[in-house]
Amino acid sequence: KAGVTQTPRYLIKTRGQQVTLSCSPISGHRSVSWYQQTPGQGLQFLFEYFSETQRNKGNFPGRFSGRQFSNSRSEMNVSTLELGDSALYLCASSLVGTSGYNEQFFGPGTRLTVL
Amino acid sequence: QKEVEQNSGPLSVPEGAIASLNCTYSDRVSQSFFWYRQYSGKSPELIMSIYSNGDKEDGRFTAQLNKASQYVSLLIRDSQPSDSATYLCAFGGGADGLTFGKGTHLIIQP
Repeated sequence: KAGVTQTPRYLIKTRGQQVTLSCSPISGHRSVSWYQQTPGQGLQFLFEYFSETQRNKGNFPGRFSGRQFSNSRSEMNVSTLELGDSALYLCASSLVGTSGYNEQFFGPGTRLTVL
Repeated sequence: QKEVEQNSGPLSVPEGAIASLNCTYSDRVSQSFFWYRQYSGKSPELIMSIYSNGDKEDGRFTAQLNKASQYVSLLIRDSQPSDSATYLCAFGGGADGLTFGKGTHLIIQP
């Protein structure tokens, strides 16, 4: 079974630009979560989507947004990029969309560098 | 505020010995606990999940959960150099997302 895929793997942008990252979950998985990983803050939860609905969002500004399509694929968008947005962005998929007992499997991540 | 505390290390263990990694968490309600392994430059890989008090064994890995003490640990038996990585403790999941610790850097010395 294919794992979680993310595109692109690497991205370089300049301040003020916007970026869209894509994630395809494991086949049959309907829940997709996004995380930001930085050396200083570690892994932080951005948001979770299930059946095309955002069910929860972490403590990030409104510049960070996302969506999920009917085939469970998800995209996240960051507008007006700042230097501090440089990070590894990770997508994770899980099989069951309800809280608890959900194992999450991560994709390889997108390394975003903002210059 | 949900928090996970882990010793950042590095934790150095001789090859063949038992590596013991520990984690405390703040959320008394959480039912799901996970250990992830992350190699440098790679994404986290799920190695253990545990939902009930007690021990759960999978090959060389044993996870231990004590909800009363809000404590979860990971034991790695017969440590191998390939076990050298950062180990992330996490709890939660589902709509609330996972809350991660900063990770413990484990070094297995040949």
